[in-house]
Amino acid sequence: GQQLNQSPQSMFIQEGEDVSMNCTSSSIFNTWLWYKQEPGEGPVLLIALYKAGELTSNGRLTAQFGITRKDSFLNISASIPSDVGIYFCAGQKGYGNKLVFGAGTILRVKS
Amino acid sequence: DTEVTQTPKHLVMGMTNKKSLKCEQHMGHRAMYWYKQKAKKPPELMFVYSYEKLSINESVPSRFSPECPNSSLLNLHLHALQPEDSALYLCASSHPKSGTGYSNQPQHFGDGTRLSIL
Repeated sequence: GQQLNQSPQSMFIQEGEDVSMNCTSSSIFNTWLWYKQEPGEGPVLLIALYKAGELTSNGRLTAQFGITRKDSFLNISASIPSDVGIYFCAGQKGYGNKLVFGAGTILRVKS
Repeated sequence: DTEVTQTPKHLVMGMTNKKSLKCEQHMGHRAMYWYKQKAKKPPELMFVYSYEKLSINESVPSRFSPECPNSSLLNLHLHALQPEDSALYLCASSHPKSGTGYSNQPQHFGDGTRLSIL
């Protein structure tokens, strides 16, 4: 099925560094979502974006809905060890609730 | 703690067994979903229920049989599974598509059932 292009595939960073990841698509989405999944758990919603150009923060996390509605990015500032996990972007089109997922970004943090 | 509860957390079964996975939510959501997830891959949609009616079946083999007995519960009945069906099975819920337009309310996931087929 359709997938979003998510990059990078993985990151191994030093504690305290900032992190940036993004998702792009060839088609338009009306909602962009960012989830984090830790081992043994289900995906947890971090940020939901509903309007083109929208910039939303959740603590150290900031995400933006691209103006073309075909992309989104997630930034994490001052990373800490508990940020470790897999981050998935997901897009949702206007009709129905089917989510299209990116392949995920694996984040590892060196303390 | 997740607001979508899945049981059991782990399940090991033989290829001839019949078992069921259960999911429960009390957020008043009227759309519920089953996903299959392989390690380090994104979730893959299997079924969608909207207002207790099956609205999407993503061409899932008949050895998987979903059931939505009421607005809070979702079951997945398993029979004659194959080794390649071993995966994490996730349940999610959300507000469904509205009657006059679309609903873009996000899906909330449970912690899943880790299924191993021997």
